[in-house]
Amino acid sequence: NAGVTQTPKFRVLKTGQSMTLLCAQDMNHEYMYWYRQDPGMGLRLIHYSVGEGTTAKGEVPDGYNVSRLKKQNFLLGLESAAPSQTSVYFCASVQGTEAFFGQGTRLTVV
Amino acid sequence: DQQVKQNSPSLSVQEGRISILNCDYTNSMFDYFLWYKKYPAEGPTFLISISSIKDKNEDGRFTVFLNKSAKHLSLHIVPSQPGDSAVYFCAASIQGAQKLVFGQGTRLTINP
Repeated sequence: NAGVTQTPKFRVLKTGQSMTLLCAQDMNHEYMYWYRQDPGMGLRLIHYSVGEGTTAKGEVPDGYNVSRLKKQNFLLGLESAAPSQTSVYFCASVQGTEAFFGQGTRLTVV
Repeated sequence: DQQVKQNSPSLSVQEGRISILNCDYTNSMFDYFLWYKKYPAEGPTFLISISSIKDKNEDGRFTVFLNKSAKHLSLHIVPSQPGDSAVYFCAASIQGAQKLVFGQGTRLTINP
């Protein structure tokens, strides 16, 4: 009964490096979201997907790319990491009126 | 432009008393509101929600009140318990739980 699983849980990157965060859900949900949480800012929507093969920009999409090649997976990519991308990233899977969140990925860019 | 605001960063309440967390929003298109609870090193977990067609929803110790004319909602927890100590996020959407817009969060501490 995994729900929403994010990997990795922690990562430290150097400025300019790239990485991919993986979100996997086992609930067969169509809608998936990537948020970032920063102190005093709440959670802000980066990108989202309404189904396999579709993606769309959220509130703060710059510097990130996403892919949804399989329904159960939603990938968030950073092509060239910047210190401003230091944050905690949460993936969510949505069905109707409920959103289920992963445990988060703490990313530090130095 | 913060569409959902939680103006109290923190709140401290005595165990057994009522905790009241407040949230204001600016977008009149929002028709669904949710409260999430978050413990350190964990993802947010759903607590309670309310549709704009209602003004109150109750679930055990938790009650959410919605005042559409004031664009204000509040979460009441009574009685407060030590396990309620967490960060609480208010969220709003135009369609179910899609594209949630979150407030900044309020850290609730329940003192024994």
